Amino acid sequence: AQSVTQLGSHVSVSEGALVLLRCNYSSSVPPYLFWYVQYPNQGLQLLLKYTSAATLVKGINGFEAEFKKSETSFHLTKPSAHMSDAAEYFCAVSGATGFQKLVFGTGTRLLVSP
Amino acid sequence: SAVISQKPSRDICQRGTSLTIQCQVDSQVTMMFWYRQQPGQSLTLIATANQGSEATYESGFVIDKFPISRPNLTFSTLTVSNMSPEDSSIYLCSGLDPSLADTQYFGPGTRLTVL
Repeated sequence: AQSVTQLGSHVSVSEGALVLLRCNYSSSVPPYLFWYVQYPNQGLQLLLKYTSAATLVKGINGFEAEFKKSETSFHLTKPSAHMSDAAEYFCAVSGATGFQKLVFGTGTRLLVSP
Repeated sequence: SAVISQKPSRDICQRGTSLTIQCQVDSQVTMMFWYRQQPGQSLTLIATANQGSEATYESGFVIDKFPISRPNLTFSTLTVSNMSPEDSSIYLCSGLDPSLADTQYFGPGTRLTVL
């Protein structure tokens, strides 16, 4: 079974500041990990994914995430926040063995102030 | 990646009525799914839409309330039956792209309000 914990339902940063969104996972099998972004009144867009290749994964819009097995973490970072990054971010996990269901965290709303 | 569209994008319905949501994928996908996102919450999987056979429902969801069809590899429908205000949610479909077999792509969602 898999589960995801996202620490912080809201994260506020200033424009130009570092963005750090935390995600910890639990999985009984080797995991695949995903970050999705949801802009207001829109569906989910894939930001990046980890599927057992490189542990540092680069995604769209300057985001990246590092898979740390020892810490069971997959935190999302971006060096410099833009106003357009304001959105809801979801971390999700699935099993790497065959197809397994995608389990989502509760989401983190990123607020960016000028 | 697969491009997924949904109709309608939003609707306001009266309690006791039913609404059918359509999901169209621009290329063949191996699996399709339906999710519910209640206000301010994360996504919950309703069911896996199986081509030509009955959908596979998750715990807490039943076919009588959420009948699903998938007549071919690129199209699926979800019906929300006998609606109540508690059914007010965003309903999203997703597809598993066979060229990227580990990744689900999502439609834009259908925002349903039940009065």
